[in-house]
Amino acid sequence: GDSVTQMEGPVTLSEEAFLTINCTYTATGYPSLFWYVQYPGEGLQLLLKATKADDKGSNKGFEATYRKETTSFHLEKGSVQVSDSAVYFCALEKLTGGGNKLTFGTGTQLKVEL
Amino acid sequence: SQTIHQWPATLVQPVGSPLSLECTVEGTSNPNLYWYRQAAGRGLQLLFYSIGIDQISSEVPQNLSASRPQDRQFILSSKKLLLSDSGFYLCARGTGQGVEKNTGELFFGEGSRLTVL
Repeated sequence: GDSVTQMEGPVTLSEEAFLTINCTYTATGYPSLFWYVQYPGEGLQLLLKATKADDKGSNKGFEATYRKETTSFHLEKGSVQVSDSAVYFCALEKLTGGGNKLTFGTGTQLKVEL
Repeated sequence: SQTIHQWPATLVQPVGSPLSLECTVEGTSNPNLYWYRQAAGRGLQLLFYSIGIDQISSEVPQNLSASRPQDRQFILSSKKLLLSDSGFYLCARGTGQGVEKNTGELFFGEGSRLTVL
């Protein structure tokens, strides 16, 4: 079945460091891919998405490119801030007969220190 | 508005006791609704989804059930809680309605943290 694999955390970085969080997927067809972010004590919110191969999603300085050949959707940011500390979830969309369902990875916790 | 209300926010229950977590949604009628569980080290697991009143699909066999008695109300229940039911439960809505295709984006509530002792 469809699945998403993320690098394990926690990832600890200093402020202004470069961030990469790896995400690979297994799916039939051509799923849409997403990154969600969960700040402490809150629910998840969509960070960015890409709906087809070679699309790049971007938001708040974060980027991820849909790589069909490597089945990957790695999240990157050039310079992280303390406020980026959160748990990041990679997800793919699976269409069903009614509605859609997202399959999530296990999440990667990011801690950014001064 | 696409506000999603969940309550209670936190709950501590003994093993064997019943459970009722409630989710209500504001905004568009006939939204697609979801219950996810976030357990430590296991990420987000889809438990149930619903495309309309009294239309519930279960994703995994378990000790829980879901009901949708009203268009914008989604309830997660259990008759007898197990230790393994502990976790963070998130209600979410999709952007589509009924069998209409969603964009893939989900809007989440702030969650209900359940501890079973």
